[in-house]
Amino acid sequence: SQTIHQWPATLVQPVGSPLSLECTVEGTSNPNLYWYRQAAGRGLQLLFYSVGIGQISSEVPQNLSASRPQDRQFILSSKKLLLSDSGFYLCAWSWGRYTDTQYFGPGTRLTVL
Amino acid sequence: AQTVTQSQPEMSVQEAETVTLSCTYDTSESDYYLFWYKQPPSRQMILVIRQEAYKQQNATENRFSVNFQKAAKSFSLKISDSQLGDAAMYFCAYAARVIQGAQKLVFGQGTRLTINP
Repeated sequence: SQTIHQWPATLVQPVGSPLSLECTVEGTSNPNLYWYRQAAGRGLQLLFYSVGIGQISSEVPQNLSASRPQDRQFILSSKKLLLSDSGFYLCAWSWGRYTDTQYFGPGTRLTVL
Repeated sequence: AQTVTQSQPEMSVQEAETVTLSCTYDTSESDYYLFWYKQPPSRQMILVIRQEAYKQQNATENRFSVNFQKAAKSFSLKISDSQLGDAAMYFCAYAARVIQGAQKLVFGQGTRLTINP
C-alpha cells in the first residue's frame, strides 16, 4: 500500500530564515505530487505540482519554491521566510491521470515569528 | 476559473441523526470530478467520497452519500447515523484539469460539523 510522509510535523522559524519541508511517498512510482497551503480557518490553496523529476509547476507567485530531486521526493523551500508564510502545509500524491484521487500527508504546521 | 462555495460555516447534529452539508460549484466543463474531504483535529485531509460528473448515480460510501445535481451545479453530502467520530471540518473540492494528467483541487471554505452526544 502507499504511504505519504511529511517532516517536520511542526516548525517555528524567525522571519528571514530559510525553509525546507520534505515530502516522500512510498509504495508507488512516478506519482503526481502536490504542495498545498491552508491558512487559519481557510480552505486549501494549491502552491505547486509536479508530474515528474525536475518538473515543477507553480500556481501562485510567492516567496516559496519547490523541487523534486527524486521520483518520490518533493521539497518546499524558501530562502527568506515572511510572516505571511505561516500556515499548515500539506503534501499530496496521485497516480498519473487526471481522473485519479489525491491522497494527503499529515501536514506541517509552520509558524513564522 | 472554477469556484467552490460552502455556504454553511458551521453545522451541528445530534448523535445518530442525519445531517446534510451543502456545496455549489461553478465550471464550464462537462466532465469533471468532485470530492468531499474530512479534516479532523489532527488536520490530515481524509477522502470521504468521490463523484464522477458523467455518472448520474449518486456516490455512496457506507453512511456517507451525495446528492449530485449537475444542472444546478450542486453537490451535497449526507451523513446518516452521525457518530462522534464524524466531528470535523468538511471540505468540498472540484478537480480542475492542469497539464499532463495532473489535477488542481479547488476547495470550498469548509463546514465545521459538531456532533452532540
